[in-house]
Amino acid sequence: GAVVSQHPSRVICKSGTSVKIECRSLDFQATTMFWYRQFPKQSLMLMATSNEGSKATYEQGVEKDKFLINHASLTLSTLTVTSAHPEDSSFYICSAKRGGQAYNEQFFGPGTRLTVL
Amino acid sequence: EDKVVQSPLSLVVHEGDTVTLNCSYEVTNFRSLLWYKQEKKAPTFLFMLTSSGIEKKSGRLSSILDKKELSSILNITATQTGDSAIYLCEGGGSEKLVFGKGTKLTVNP
Repeated sequence: GAVVSQHPSRVICKSGTSVKIECRSLDFQATTMFWYRQFPKQSLMLMATSNEGSKATYEQGVEKDKFLINHASLTLSTLTVTSAHPEDSSFYICSAKRGGQAYNEQFFGPGTRLTVL
Repeated sequence: EDKVVQSPLSLVVHEGDTVTLNCSYEVTNFRSLLWYKQEKKAPTFLFMLTSSGIEKKSGRLSSILDKKELSSILNITATQTGDSAIYLCEGGGSEKLVFGKGTKLTVNP
């Protein structure tokens, strides 16, 4: 149980285009989803926290207008990288927190590798 | 299929005990193995291991990678209640990242 999927797993796009990444909790309802990015040989960096039905909370230094997050349902959150540039190339990873858990257990998706040419 | 398996899934110890957490990995084009401590929000980075046999230490925590055995251990000595958390292992490949389920450590006073 507690499976989180991401789609697509890999995307290559041209500079200036927008890319949407989906994060789904397949067998549980996720009241909270987190979006991270990870550069090669670096650790996860939290970008934003997404709560179902409300606006996402962005970490300091993360551009809200650049990285649009929509948590439309308890099983789906999307991250849209708008007007992507080569420096946005990275792994983007989501995780989902199961509602009702007393302990902050997060389940991670497999990641989406974005390459911007 | 790429996978990272952590053991044990759950561990309860008393303050002062030493614990060893295990992580085994099968990751295509493996590049690095990372350990995180997950308490409240985002996992906190602990160690990144890329070379086999080199121990990384930070205070009471240490970790080592065995590329031959495709595994890593995280040691915590003289545990404290503040060490209670989920410890997460991540296998990083060139194409994807694979996370373990985590080990939930509870340190009782």
